[in-house]
Amino acid sequence: AQKVTQAQTEISVVEKEDVTLDCVYETRDTTYYLFWYKQPPSGELVFLIRRNSFDEQNEISGRYSWNFQKSTSSFNFTITASQVVDSAVYFCALSEGVQGAQKLVFGQGTRLTINP
Amino acid sequence: DGGITQSPKYLFRKEGQNVTLSCEQNLNHDAMYWYRQDPGQGLRLIYYSQIVNDFQKGDIAEGYSVSREKKESFPLTVTSAQKNPTAFYLCASSPEGLYNQPQHFGDGTRLSIL
Repeated sequence: AQKVTQAQTEISVVEKEDVTLDCVYETRDTTYYLFWYKQPPSGELVFLIRRNSFDEQNEISGRYSWNFQKSTSSFNFTITASQVVDSAVYFCALSEGVQGAQKLVFGQGTRLTINP
Repeated sequence: DGGITQSPKYLFRKEGQNVTLSCEQNLNHDAMYWYRQDPGQGLRLIYYSQIVNDFQKGDIAEGYSVSREKKESFPLTVTSAQKNPTAFYLCASSPEGLYNQPQHFGDGTRLSIL
């Protein structure tokens, strides 16, 4: 069975600190996709990044960066120089490759609080 | 602007009552999904639909029902058989046949028991 684990339930840091959110996954599929979503207090989930199982290249987008390591089944997310607006719940998710529809398996989420 | 609209934002259910949550999308997506979110937990899949007039159970379908009569609409009914309905419900959509594409989410409906 597919599973996503986000061991950090809550993280609290002071603004401008760097913070890393951990994500570990389990799957038997050789082809799969990993996602990170952000859930601000308003409730909707906002897509941040997608990574497929064949692409282990790390990615940087502004203050955000993602480190994908198949050897450890991890897909960690780092925010550099954090800001108060980064405060939200962050979810890591794994896609089951069902043709025609996408069944996402979500982690429990990490609540990130950035204090001024 | 294209997107997903969920209504109402807040909903209250009495004992023994069925309630229906609305989800409408104008993204021209074929696949639609309903998730339930409980405090401190991730999202769990209730139902999903790949095309009109077809839908499949997710991991926690008991006590819920859906319909997909139009491509744009995927309403969720929380029946009286669902004994613990208090939760945050999120609707999502994605292009059909493209399981690598991110899902787009609505703003959610918060359901509580009176």
